[in-house]
Amino acid sequence: AQTVTQSQPEMSVQEAETVTLSCTYDTSESDYYLFWYKQPPSRQMILVIRQEAYKQQNATENRFSVNFQKAAKSFSLKISDSQLGDAAMYFCALAGSARQLTFGSGTQLTVLP
Amino acid sequence: ETGVTQTPRHLVMGMTNKKSLKCEQHLGHNAMYWYKQSAKKPLELMFVYNFKEQTENNSVPSRFSPECPNSSHLFLHLHTLQPEDSALYLCASSQNRDGAYEQYFGPGTRLTVT
Repeated sequence: AQTVTQSQPEMSVQEAETVTLSCTYDTSESDYYLFWYKQPPSRQMILVIRQEAYKQQNATENRFSVNFQKAAKSFSLKISDSQLGDAAMYFCALAGSARQLTFGSGTQLTVLP
Repeated sequence: ETGVTQTPRHLVMGMTNKKSLKCEQHLGHNAMYWYKQSAKKPLELMFVYNFKEQTENNSVPSRFSPECPNSSHLFLHLHTLQPEDSALYLCASSQNRDGAYEQYFGPGTRLTVT
């Protein structure tokens, strides 16, 4: 069984500052993918960034980057230069060979002007 | 239309009603999913369809009945629901090929059972 844990139900960050959202996971598979999804108040779930477990290099997408620590089974998301539009619920997710996503419980991010 | 669309966006129904949720994906994907999102809980996978065949049913009550007539369309037929079934129902799709694991989501249907 796969599990994904997000221990921070809520986080806040000042506009233009940097924030890191935590995620830990557990899986018995060696080949898997990790994702961060964003769900703004409009409710459309949007893929933010993905990481293949076999890649050592941390994924980056503009202001979003991850810190993937495979041995520690940790997958945190860093948002740099936070913007008001970044305010949303962020979900960490894991997909193994069955291709089914296991989601964490989410972190509600508030961006303060 | 682009991406994954869902209709209706909002639905209020009584416990004796029968209604259907519709999902359509315009991405050329071959796998589709239904999720239930309740407040304060992680997303719950309900059903998975690969190439129109149901490959997963996560112990979902029979009052939820999925239908996948083709790779682009997915329905969730609802009947005799309970108030605890009130939630946001999300549809997603993905391409079943090596290296493609990410899913693309629709905006969801907010269901209220009275």
